[in-house]
Amino acid sequence: EIVMTQSPVTLSVSPGERATLSCRASQSVSSNLAWYQQKPGQAPRLLIYGASTRATGIPARFSGSGSGTEFTLTISSLQSEDFAVYYCQQYNNWPPLTFGGGTKVEIK
Amino acid sequence: EVQLVQSGAEVKKPGESLKISCQGSGYSFANYWIGWVRQMPGKGLECIGIIYPGDSDTRYSPSFQGQVTISADKSISTAYLQWSSLKASDTAMYYCARHPGGTGVWFDPWGQGTLVTVSS
Repeated sequence: EIVMTQSPVTLSVSPGERATLSCRASQSVSSNLAWYQQKPGQAPRLLIYGASTRATGIPARFSGSGSGTEFTLTISSLQSEDFAVYYCQQYNNWPPLTFGGGTKVEIK
Repeated sequence: EVQLVQSGAEVKKPGESLKISCQGSGYSFANYWIGWVRQMPGKGLECIGIIYPGDSDTRYSPSFQGQVTISADKSISTAYLQWSSLKASDTAMYYCARHPGGTGVWFDPWGQGTLVTVSS
């Protein structure tokens, strides 16, 4: 099973600032990685797939990069609606599909 | 619009059985993988397994194999997750989600979630 590790666990950022979230895989997942956003009381929402392709309707301030074992989600200028928990998920080797433990982006 | 609508919250006792549902609309239900994801209280996401409704091909995550059953009825565009004997540790939010197509499996959109509470 591929283990996904996200860091940091919590990221404190001021509105308008840049946020950089990391996701590491225990072995290569190529570019088979997705990112999701989850707000309190809501279902997750797909942001990125294929490591860097934005899903339909996702603002351009969200970008994904990386391949192999190291991945990054960048939010270029945080808006109030971006404060949430973010999860990465690999789909290179499955089952099982595996998620990272999440990064909570909170207001500084 | 592609939508997944899940059945309502459940409160059950340990040892009871349960089947929750996820109905798709706005697309050809039989032709897209549907996954089930568990989120225990205050915790992260875990994939339980996925099913292709067209032929009921089902893949379970090893840690959930034998603990739950995933099924689908393409005639009514509905997928199911069921337990034969619930445990307190099954208390969680359960989401269904569709894989939109392409190589690999990621999920978009997601259902609204079904909260399952197991308590004596």
